[in-house]
Amino acid sequence: KAGVTQTPRYLIKTRGQQVTLSCSPISGHRSVSWYQQTPGQGLQFLFEYFSETQRNKGNFPGRFSGRQFSNSRSEMNVSTLELGDSALYLCASSLDRTPEAFFGQGTRLTVV
Amino acid sequence: ELKVEQNPLFLSMQEGKNYTIYCNYSTTSDRLYWYRQDPGKSLESLFVLLSNGAVKQEGRLMASLDTKARLSTLHITAAVHDLSATYFCAVADTNTGNQFYFGTGTSLTVIP
Repeated sequence: KAGVTQTPRYLIKTRGQQVTLSCSPISGHRSVSWYQQTPGQGLQFLFEYFSETQRNKGNFPGRFSGRQFSNSRSEMNVSTLELGDSALYLCASSLDRTPEAFFGQGTRLTVV
Repeated sequence: ELKVEQNPLFLSMQEGKNYTIYCNYSTTSDRLYWYRQDPGKSLESLFVLLSNGAVKQEGRLMASLDTKARLSTLHITAAVHDLSATYFCAVADTNTGNQFYFGTGTSLTVIP
């Protein structure tokens, strides 16, 4: 079956711009989580959506937001981009609070 | 907040040697994960450990979990170059959703 699909794979944006990243989970999975990976901070949890509702949120500023659609696809948005937002953004999908979580290939965001 | 400590951060080992990566976590959790990440790539699931005393093996990798000590180990047997990658442990907090807390990662280089 198809895995977790993230688009786009690479993005270059300018400071002050905004960006939207997309994640399509595995069919049937209703939980989608987002993580930011940077060399300095490692892998940090951004937020989790389940059945179109944000269920949990990490310690990130309000510039980071997300949503989930009825088909479980999720988007995350970062407004007013800063250089420090440059990172690999990963999403993970799972059925719910089940053991297995599958990660997408990630979106590499570079802010210049 | 749940904290996950992983050591060593960097590991350089010769082919054919054995070594262990350690993962300590701060509070009770019933799920411990090991992931592998190749440069520029996403996270590949290696093991999911769900109970005290759980041991899983795949090829030259074996993972174990001691929930009382809040310790998991990833043992590498007779390392080969193909095992060179970064290995992460993660603990899931399922009380509020499906949030993962990741260790800092261990960058493993196997030298021929």
